[in-house]
Amino acid sequence: KAGVTQTPRYLIKTRGQQVTLSCSPISGHRSVSWYQQTPGQGLQFLFEYFSETQRNKGNFPGRFSGRQFSNSRSEMNVSTLELGDSALYLCASSLSLFGGGRNNEQFFGPGTRLTVL
Amino acid sequence: AQKITQTQPGMFVQEKEAVTLDCTYDTSDQSYGLFWYKQPSSGEMIFLIYQGSYDEQNATEGRYSLNFQKARKSANLVISASQLGDSAMYFCAMREGILLGSSNTGKLIFGQGTTLQVKP
Repeated sequence: KAGVTQTPRYLIKTRGQQVTLSCSPISGHRSVSWYQQTPGQGLQFLFEYFSETQRNKGNFPGRFSGRQFSNSRSEMNVSTLELGDSALYLCASSLSLFGGGRNNEQFFGPGTRLTVL
Repeated sequence: AQKITQTQPGMFVQEKEAVTLDCTYDTSDQSYGLFWYKQPSSGEMIFLIYQGSYDEQNATEGRYSLNFQKARKSANLVISASQLGDSAMYFCAMREGILLGSSNTGKLIFGQGTTLQVKP
């Protein structure tokens, strides 16, 4: 079974530009979450999608947005990039939002390393 | 407020020995899940082990076991027979509302991580 895939793996952008990152979950997984990892702030939750609906959102500005498609693939978009957006962006998938046991295990992709110059 | 605390920024262990990585958590939710992840220098987060708050037995996955003490709100990871490839950053994380859902369902709260170095 293929794992979570993220594209692209590396990205270099300049301030003011926008960027779209893509995540394909494990086959059969319906929940996709996004996280930002920086040396200063650690791992922070961005948002979660389930059945094409955003179920939960972290404390990030409106420049950060996302969506999920009917095949559970997800994209996140960052507009008007700032230097502080440089980070590793991780996507995770799980079977469901809740239900206990294996439903809750979140599996991460390799991440997209975004550098903003 | 939900919070995960990992008090050991860095640890060393001799190859083939066991090591315990500490994790304490804070939540008012009754149904929650606790996770441990390994992050090598490549950056990928590797799922290691999961413990549900209602699980009666401590979780084990190969060389990994989770020492879950609910009353103390601790979920320590024990790695037995350490290997050089175990050198990495380790994160403890929590997810609330796992049985019935809540406003925090799906959101993983992470600790700051512990860097483990295995010495030959």
